Amino acid sequence: GQNIDQPTEMTATEGAIVQINCTYQTSGFNGLFWYQQHAGEAPTFLSYNVLDGLEEKGRFSSFLSRSKGYSYLLLKELQMKDSASYLCAVRDRDYKLSFGAGTTVTVRA
Amino acid sequence: IAGITQAPTSQILAAGRRMTLRCTQDMRHNAMYWYRQDLGLGLRLIHYSNTAGTTGKGEVPDGYSVSRANTDDFPLTLASAVPSQTSVYFCASTPTSGSGSGELFFGEGSRLTVL
Repeated sequence: GQNIDQPTEMTATEGAIVQINCTYQTSGFNGLFWYQQHAGEAPTFLSYNVLDGLEEKGRFSSFLSRSKGYSYLLLKELQMKDSASYLCAVRDRDYKLSFGAGTTVTVRA
Repeated sequence: IAGITQAPTSQILAAGRRMTLRCTQDMRHNAMYWYRQDLGLGLRLIHYSNTAGTTGKGEVPDGYSVSRANTDDFPLTLASAVPSQTSVYFCASTPTSGSGSGELFFGEGSRLTVL
């Protein structure tokens, strides 16, 4: 099974940078995902890491260290529309995804 | 528009009643999943299916059943609903072959209230 931990809440100012950490313990690692979920909506895919290192996609970057069971999602140049919940998820070898409880990010003007 | 369709969008149900949440995808994804989302607990896997004709139990399967008669449909049934099954239910799918990352594609969710 998976044990996935991420902070409950974070607050940042528009234009700033926020880093959301995620630690996990898994019985069979097969990839780590980050999803964004706005209130009342379905989660949408942000990023995927299966090898160690940094993956960059525009204002969003995600990092993975498999040996440490650690990932982070970096959000740069924060915009008001980035206020949402960010979900860390780990996939196992059976293609099942387990999710953390999510981090609610509030962007203030 | 290709994607995943869930129905109903919202439902209020009396305890003890039987309820089926429908999920259909037209992306020919072989794997499908049902999650429930509760405040503070995140998304928890109920049941999954890696291919038509097979199903498996997730983290919280009790009180729920699924079937996968074909690739496109993956209904979730609550045989006798209880108030603790009040939740938002998300159906998702993914291709487990090919060159993509295999991210999950989610339906819009079904909000179920059991009284």
